Amino acid sequence: DAGITQSPRYKITETGRQVTLMCHQTWSHSYMFWYRQDLGHGLRLIYYSAAADITDKGEVPDGYVVSRSKTENFPLTLESATRSQTSVYFCASSGAGRGRTGNTIYFGEGSWLTVV
Amino acid sequence: AQKVTQVQTEISVVEKEDVTLDCVYETRDTTYYLFWYKQPPSGELVFLIRRNSFDEQNEISGRYSWNFQKSTSSFNFTITASQVVDSAVYFCALSEENSGGSNYKLTFGKGTLLTVNP
Repeated sequence: DAGITQSPRYKITETGRQVTLMCHQTWSHSYMFWYRQDLGHGLRLIYYSAAADITDKGEVPDGYVVSRSKTENFPLTLESATRSQTSVYFCASSGAGRGRTGNTIYFGEGSWLTVV
Repeated sequence: AQKVTQVQTEISVVEKEDVTLDCVYETRDTTYYLFWYKQPPSGELVFLIRRNSFDEQNEISGRYSWNFQKSTSSFNFTITASQVVDSAVYFCALSEENSGGSNYKLTFGKGTLLTVNP
């Protein structure tokens, strides 16, 4: 049971470069999310997706682009990385329904991104 | 708007002590979900528990127990006989049920850093 995986786990990039963080889940969950975690700000939602080809902005979407052509993948792209985007990025997914495992949001292991 | 407040920023205990992490939430919805996550020093976010607003039963899982009280909008987490491996940041989180019946985003508290000393 692979669950939800992120890649790369660690990345250093230069200001202005494009970076894509990959997220893959094996549960066929409808919902997928991208959060960033920063000291002093906690965890904040960047984008989320309710299903393939349906995405919407979260709390801090500026500077990020997402796509969801397949249910299992939800890549996050920084089109022109800035130092303020240095952060830990977490992908997450959630199934539906009020059952025991529905509506529970599971997180990937995180991607540590440094923009220099 | 949703809000989650974790009362303690940091807690330090000695191994085998019991410790309670407090969480207070605000929401206007009648249906919502509360979560606790653990973030150990390795950095991953580990799901611990989900509680539905329509189910006020408390829960015990091994050394962990959760006390959900709608009357005080609190969802507190107790670790009994703490161990060094319990050292982590613990996050309380809230989500509201959207019209489709599924969560779509979490509001997190700022986290409580628990240090269990040997």
